[in-house]
Amino acid sequence: RKEVEQDPGPFNVPEGATVAFNCTYSNSASQSFFWYRQDCRKEPKLLMSVYSSGNEDGRFTAQLNRASQYISLLIRDSKLSDSATYLCVVGSTGGGNKLTFGTGTQLKVEL
Amino acid sequence: DVKVTQSSRYLVKRTGEKVFLECVQDMDHENMFWYRQDPGLGLRLIYFSYDVKMKEKGDIPEGYSVSREKKERFSLILESASTNQTSMYLCASSLILAGGNEQFFGPGTRLTVL
Repeated sequence: RKEVEQDPGPFNVPEGATVAFNCTYSNSASQSFFWYRQDCRKEPKLLMSVYSSGNEDGRFTAQLNRASQYISLLIRDSKLSDSATYLCVVGSTGGGNKLTFGTGTQLKVEL
Repeated sequence: DVKVTQSSRYLVKRTGEKVFLECVQDMDHENMFWYRQDPGLGLRLIYFSYDVKMKEKGDIPEGYSVSREKKERFSLILESASTNQTSMYLCASSLILAGGNEQFFGPGTRLTVL
């Protein structure tokens, strides 16, 4: 079983739609959680950290369910510029501050 | 702004050549990482370093070595390049924080081994 699992998509949605991505992780001792965004042929960049209480940044809402080992990302009012691959990322408890990356979910926002 | 730079965006090498990939960060981060990214496999950690002259194996270290002589610089070495090392190589850096911290990535080096 992969340490971090995501549906690869692609999710094709019309502009203005609300879309949700889910992710599960296997290590119950994981302590930090992130969503990264990666544009085609570019490096990954942090979109937002994910906290147990849930957090929101504009049109983006991230939630963490530690009991189910599940992370979600909700994007409201999708824009064409939201088209990218979204990576679910989990911080390990071992040395070196390693992060484990999911393989990503591809989003395509269309007119 | 954190800046992580990599020596080349594109590189073409021949099988058996020794390849050096250089990474430099300007934010005084303790941690530095080398990943490779392949379609369907995502980012896989090759090596990382949490201090000068310190290195730790990641998930796929075979065929690679690293060097960290200065805090800001982390080099990835392919001793004898093979075609299965054709990939996108990404360097990242971060501050030390228990449980993991945001990593900042360089633009990547797309390596082709012929």
